Amino acid sequence: KAGVTQTPRYLIKTRGQQVTLSCSPISGHRSVSWYQQTPGQGLQFLFEYFSETQRNKGNFPGRFSGRQFSNSRSEMNVSTLELGDSALYLCASNSGDRAYEQYFGPGTRLTVT
Amino acid sequence: GNSVTQMEGPVTLSEEAFLTINCTYTATGYPSLFWYVQYPGEGLQLLLKATKADDKGSNKGFEATYRKETTSFHLEKGSVQVSDSAVYFCALINQAGTALIFGKGTTLSVSS
Repeated sequence: KAGVTQTPRYLIKTRGQQVTLSCSPISGHRSVSWYQQTPGQGLQFLFEYFSETQRNKGNFPGRFSGRQFSNSRSEMNVSTLELGDSALYLCASNSGDRAYEQYFGPGTRLTVT
Repeated sequence: GNSVTQMEGPVTLSEEAFLTINCTYTATGYPSLFWYVQYPGEGLQLLLKATKADDKGSNKGFEATYRKETTSFHLEKGSVQVSDSAVYFCALINQAGTALIFGKGTTLSVSS
């Protein structure tokens, strides 16, 4: 079974721009979660989608948004990028039935200059 | 709210040494607890888990026991290898079961 895939793997953007990251979950998984990883704040939960509905959201500003498609693929968008948004963005999927069995992708490394 | 505290790193050990990484948590009720590992340049992998008090999770020689009395879930391994060098994260699942709450991570470096 193919694992969680994220594209692109690396991205460089300029302050003020927007960015869209993509995540394809493991086949059959209906839940997708996003996390931000930085050296200072560690791993922080952004949001979780299940069957195209956002079920939970972390404490991030409205510039961070996401969506999920009918095939369970998910995208997250960050608008008006700030230097502090530079981070590794990790996507995780699970079947939705056993929430703790989360499988992570390799992440997208976003650098904002 | 829920939170996880784990020992600061880095932890530097020689091959075949005994490993302990401390983890304590604050939570409502008895959430499931996890250890994840992140190898350089990779995403997180689930190492082991425990879903209720006194459960012992184990995998690849690593063990951790869910202790509700001390609200702890310490990671141990009897004999570490160079290939165990990675960052280890302790985590719990939130009440809704929709988000993992992580500790800050502990970097382990094992030398031969």
